[in-house]
Amino acid sequence: NAGVTQTPKFRILKIGQSMTLQCAQDMNHNYMYWYRQDPGMGLKLIYYSVGAGITDKGEVPNGYNVSRSTTEDFPLRLELAAPSQTSVYFCASSYVAFRGPGELFFGEGSRLTVL
Amino acid sequence: DAKTTQPNSMESNEEEPVHLPCNHSTISGTDYIHWYRQLPSQGPEYVIHGLTSNVNNRMASLAIAEDRKSSTLILHRATLRDAAVYYCILRDPLARSGNTPLVFGKGTRLSVIA
Repeated sequence: NAGVTQTPKFRILKIGQSMTLQCAQDMNHNYMYWYRQDPGMGLKLIYYSVGAGITDKGEVPNGYNVSRSTTEDFPLRLELAAPSQTSVYFCASSYVAFRGPGELFFGEGSRLTVL
Repeated sequence: DAKTTQPNSMESNEEEPVHLPCNHSTISGTDYIHWYRQLPSQGPEYVIHGLTSNVNNRMASLAIAEDRKSSTLILHRATLRDAAVYYCILRDPLARSGNTPLVFGKGTRLSVIA
């Protein structure tokens, strides 16, 4: 298993550009998440999905969109990139919801710089 | 949001035990306590979780206070590879549904000295 795969690993955007961060998992996990991590800070949840066709907002959804058309893929769309979106983005997946135990598997991260 | 309090940083000598504390005084009866760690330039990885009883696995032990208002992650013999940020996380008790994601705080940065 490849686990959780994120692309690209690095990207530089100009202000106002748009792009999509890709995330794919091959573990048949129903739940997928996008977090962002600013320097020296913890992770903040952007969006999450509990299954294909179902998404929900996290703590910091503004400026982002997501879709979940398949179990495997959970792309994150940035519209009109702003310097405040400079961050490291982590995608994660899990097999069970967090009513109880459940292990998150994280990708290696995508480092985005907006200039 | 999950309400946990952890020290910003801790330091340990190599091959010594490390006790990483976490306070969670507002924990609800059904909240699980999760610990993750994040090595430099990597995504977080699962360490351990528990509900009421102490837990052990190959990576660490989790000691949970009887009133569940605090817990301690124990690394029995710290190595240089254990230098990371350690996150203590509760499931969000105010979530609208049961399918709630984990909310990460700033965690504790553990430094290990050779």
